[in-house]
Amino acid sequence: EADIYQTPRYLVIGTGKKITLECSQTMGHDKMYWYQQDPGMELHLIHYSYGVNSTEKGDLSSESTVSRIRTEHFPLTLESARPSHTSQYLCASSDPAYPGNTIYFGEGSWLTVV
Amino acid sequence: AQSVTQLGSHVSVSEGALVLLRCNYSSSVPPYLFWYVQYPNQGLQLLLKYTTGATLVKGINGFEAEFKKSETSFHLTKPSAHMSDAAEYFCAVSDTGTASKLTFGTGTRLQVTL
Repeated sequence: EADIYQTPRYLVIGTGKKITLECSQTMGHDKMYWYQQDPGMELHLIHYSYGVNSTEKGDLSSESTVSRIRTEHFPLTLESARPSHTSQYLCASSDPAYPGNTIYFGEGSWLTVV
Repeated sequence: AQSVTQLGSHVSVSEGALVLLRCNYSSSVPPYLFWYVQYPNQGLQLLLKYTTGATLVKGINGFEAEFKKSETSFHLTKPSAHMSDAAEYFCAVSDTGTASKLTFGTGTRLQVTL
């Protein structure tokens, strides 16, 4: 079982506000990911990281930014939230040591921008 | 580039009936294949995965899937559906590079009726 935690689980915020979605994992995984999922839709990779001080853009363009200062922590930030950012954001991590390594997901953060 | 196609966005079965969720993939290299399940307002949980070796893979909750290279398929089955199986199911393919990113299908919502 994976230990990956996301906070907040649910957030309703006004347009123009800055928000940070927190993600932490206790497994020592080097690789971490952020996926975005609109209701009833597929998941799209928006950011990933190979390890500390490594961040990469994913397949879906996003106005959010990420940082990786510590192995266990991979926060996602929106400097100025807009209604188009309303979505579910899923954080994940994996251990690169194993082929076909399983990617473990957190429970997600539901963001609503009004 | 990789892609995943899940046939049928909604599948409805009676309790006790066979569950069959279809997944076809496209990959230029031997793929790693995954099935994840998502319950309402939760993150994704790994059901099973195929990396190498035996092509019939058994997962949690009585689910299994068979990798068929000639058909580029990885269909998910369960002999007897239970009400608790009602959820969204995602098939995913992973690249075998250093990023190990997952590409998801659009998902299949399984409904189980009495």
